[in-house]
Amino acid sequence: DGGITQSPKYLFRKEGQNVTLSCEQNLNHDAMYWYRQDPGQGLRLIYYSQIVNDFQKGDIAEGYSVSREKKESFPLTVTSAQKNPTAFYLCASISGQINQPQHFGDGTRLSIL
Amino acid sequence: GQNIDQPTEMTATEGAIVQINCTYQTSGFNGLFWYQQHAGEAPTFLSYNVLDGLEEKGRFSSFLSRSKGYSYLLLKELQMKDSASYLCAVRAGSFVGYALNFGKGTSLLVTP
Repeated sequence: DGGITQSPKYLFRKEGQNVTLSCEQNLNHDAMYWYRQDPGQGLRLIYYSQIVNDFQKGDIAEGYSVSREKKESFPLTVTSAQKNPTAFYLCASISGQINQPQHFGDGTRLSIL
Repeated sequence: GQNIDQPTEMTATEGAIVQINCTYQTSGFNGLFWYQQHAGEAPTFLSYNVLDGLEEKGRFSSFLSRSKGYSYLLLKELQMKDSASYLCAVRAGSFVGYALNFGKGTSLLVTP
């Protein structure tokens, strides 16, 4: 079955540490996105990528970095510069058609130790 | 930029009908989406509107008025499992790769 796989489901970060969240899709989708969700809040866009080797900042990119070396993969690194990383992180993708909904992975919950 | 507003919380009774409203202001419009999100889970797609009018899908219907910047999600024959957060999202233009801009969500509680 096609879908989006995020790992790990839970992640703990020590102060000063960088951590990487994995997002893999086998839907052959071109565009991929990373969102952050805080309690009682909507989803906020961190980064997005429309094609391989290209990505753009979203509304809250500071303290995060991404790469898009393969079509299937869009990992997100939460750097030590992100002072408030505790949140639920969601990866999404769409095909090239703008009338299609975004498909979401199951999310990664990141907490500070 | 975009601004999306929806009520924070709503309560309804099992078997009843509930309408969740969403208003938006956007500089580029490529469709409005409704998602359902249970606590701790990813959002799941419910409906899509790009033209004015009502879209019906089983117990769920969604309405759009582009001139008013207004949409609603109608849930009929409410079930306990419908207790969840409902997210209204507007698709931005190509300048942000058609990303979705989400409202803060409406937490719906269905009571017996």
